[in-house]
Amino acid sequence: GQQVMQIPQYQHVQEGEDFTTYCNSSTTLSNIQWYKQRPGGHPVFLIQLVKSGEVKKQKRLTFQFGEAKKNSSLHITATQTTDVGTYFCAWNYGGATNKLIFGTGTLLAVQP
Amino acid sequence: DAGITQSPRHKVTETGTPVTLRCHQTENHRYMYWYRQDPGHGLRLIHYSYGVKDTDKGEVSDGYSVSRSKTEDFLLTLESATSSQTSVYFCAISAQSIEQYFGPGTRLTVT
Repeated sequence: GQQVMQIPQYQHVQEGEDFTTYCNSSTTLSNIQWYKQRPGGHPVFLIQLVKSGEVKKQKRLTFQFGEAKKNSSLHITATQTTDVGTYFCAWNYGGATNKLIFGTGTLLAVQP
Repeated sequence: DAGITQSPRHKVTETGTPVTLRCHQTENHRYMYWYRQDPGHGLRLIHYSYGVKDTDKGEVSDGYSVSRSKTEDFLLTLESATSSQTSVYFCAISAQSIEQYFGPGTRLTVT
């Protein structure tokens, strides 16, 4: 079945360093969503991208959707300890029903 | 946070016993989902509902059944629990095809 691969699985950074996670698919995606899950918590929606080449920013977070709509990235500038958690991309393959296939996630650890 | 609760939050059960997990929402959202989360697999959709008494299978539905008799409640049943069903189970709700709101999760251990 359709898979959404996410790399890296884990990244450890010093506070203030940048961080990027990548999401890749072998087929064209209609959209991509990003979620953050704090340790011991539940996933929280961050953003949805739908257009080819789309770039959206939320404060220090920059989200990109590739031109071919087969990949996406999340970049965090100057990480803070509050950024700790697992970041997941997800593809809505169900249209209006919003059925999601999640990537395997990237766990970000930030050392103060 | 959206009004979603899950019960129980933790459960330990023995292989072969039936288990029912409950998801309750106060948002009146149409869509409800059950996921399981396991290391290395992210979240995988088990079943979802698009209305009262309207449900369908997700990626990993074998061994699970669901029911939705009211808008606010979505039940997940393991008819005969197996050790491979040890996992963290999340319920989610959605009003439309954008964000999903997740509940706090249920940690299920099958011994």
